[in-house]
Amino acid sequence: GAGVSQSPSNKVTEKGKDVELRCDPISGHTALYWYRQRLGQGLEFLIYFQGNSAPDKSGLPSDRFSAERTGESVSTLTIQRTQQEDSAVYLCASSLRVRATTRSNEQFFGPGTRLTVL
Amino acid sequence: GEDVEQSLFLSVREGDSSVINCTYTDSSSTYLYWYKQEPGAGLQLLTYIFSNMDMKQDQRLTVLLNKKDKHLSLRIADTQTGDSAIYFCAETLSNTGTASKLTFGTGTRLQVTL
Repeated sequence: GAGVSQSPSNKVTEKGKDVELRCDPISGHTALYWYRQRLGQGLEFLIYFQGNSAPDKSGLPSDRFSAERTGESVSTLTIQRTQQEDSAVYLCASSLRVRATTRSNEQFFGPGTRLTVL
Repeated sequence: GEDVEQSLFLSVREGDSSVINCTYTDSSSTYLYWYKQEPGAGLQLLTYIFSNMDMKQDQRLTVLLNKKDKHLSLRIADTQTGDSAIYFCAETLSNTGTASKLTFGTGTRLQVTL
């Protein structure tokens, strides 16, 4: 596709339920990132995938959060037993793998999934 | 540690210049970015600067980097109502030379008045 797409665009769920968010990166982009943006705040890094390397999970806030990526394509972010504090916009971004010393690693963002936990 | 700070709000009149400021704490940042977020939309990269540069100009946008003070600014000349948005600065710590996560500031809401 022309850009990063995410689905669903909006998700309302009840506390304690599991949710799955999907991200389709730009074709050919080997790096994929998930961020979370709480209301009125900046973006928090969650997890990062780069090719076949082990993902960087250092930003996941708890073991209720997990993510998978199939090859260099779709990624899903799963939140188990959702809590009200999980309510946020979840943004996905993708980028080419480039040497950052010679070229900026521009990340292209999707429109996000707005998650509301009641 | 990684910490990026911005003022929360800026109001300017149409046609004036806007200056959005950002401070960061990690001196090993390699690239610093400015992103724009309009209501209901994703983030759009506006411009970026490599850490060995002091200034970068791109049409109405001027980025200034003061590495000594760890201060980054974005100047928008001839601000228009379409520039109303939230502006985020971000840094990447790509010491390994490969793609890396971004650390974002809290965002500055720019309001352009007539």
